[in-house]
Amino acid sequence: EVQLVQSGAEVKKPGESLRISCKGSGYSFTSYWISWVRQMPGKGLEWMGRIDPSDSYTNYSPSFQGHVTISADKSISTAYLQWSSLKASDTAMYYCARLAAAGTYISYYYYMDVWGKGTTVTVSS
Amino acid sequence: EIVLTQSPGTLSLSPGERATLSCRASQSVSSSYLAWYQQKPGQAPRLLIYGASSRATGIPDRFSGSGSGTDFTLTISRLEPEDFAVYYCQQYGSSPPVFTFGPGTKVDIK
Repeated sequence: EVQLVQSGAEVKKPGESLRISCKGSGYSFTSYWISWVRQMPGKGLEWMGRIDPSDSYTNYSPSFQGHVTISADKSISTAYLQWSSLKASDTAMYYCARLAAAGTYISYYYYMDVWGKGTTVTVSS
Repeated sequence: EIVLTQSPGTLSLSPGERATLSCRASQSVSSSYLAWYQQKPGQAPRLLIYGASSRATGIPDRFSGSGSGTDFTLTISRLEPEDFAVYYCQQYGSSPPVFTFGPGTKVDIK
């Protein structure tokens, strides 16, 4: 079974650092990009960025560039999302999602076919 | 940057009724690049439709997607109790890859 297993809920104080994880299983981890998606309480979905685990190439939404870092360790099939200094406004649910590719070599497109269950991050003094 | 608008914001229907959800893009989108997701309370989103009209694995055929250009539609032919949820459309843009979600349409029980 294809799964993305995310790390558990976190409660942190403003200014603290944090890294959450997303472990893939049941498929070739390096064959699919991984995205991170934020959902603030009671709000919609926001794409944060993605990583290609085969070479760790990343790109970010302009809204999140410079605020978070996405990384991956392909030896353990795990992607990460990290903050160096959390803010109260980082309080949210964070999902990782596998990006499946379709189309042809001329024009691929991507969609999020498998999702993790989410990691709740609460930042409060 | 392409902006997605979904309407209506909330759709109140009864089980057995037909649901028609709209997703409009601020500029033309390749139909291949449009996907739909369902999210129930307390759960992660689930892929329903990709490439505007292809159902994901395991998705019942009462769900269908259509559209092109700037206007896309998700149709649920006969609502089942488990279909009451929030539905998001999402657009993929290339070079570099970017993903944009619409604000969502909530389908609730009338």
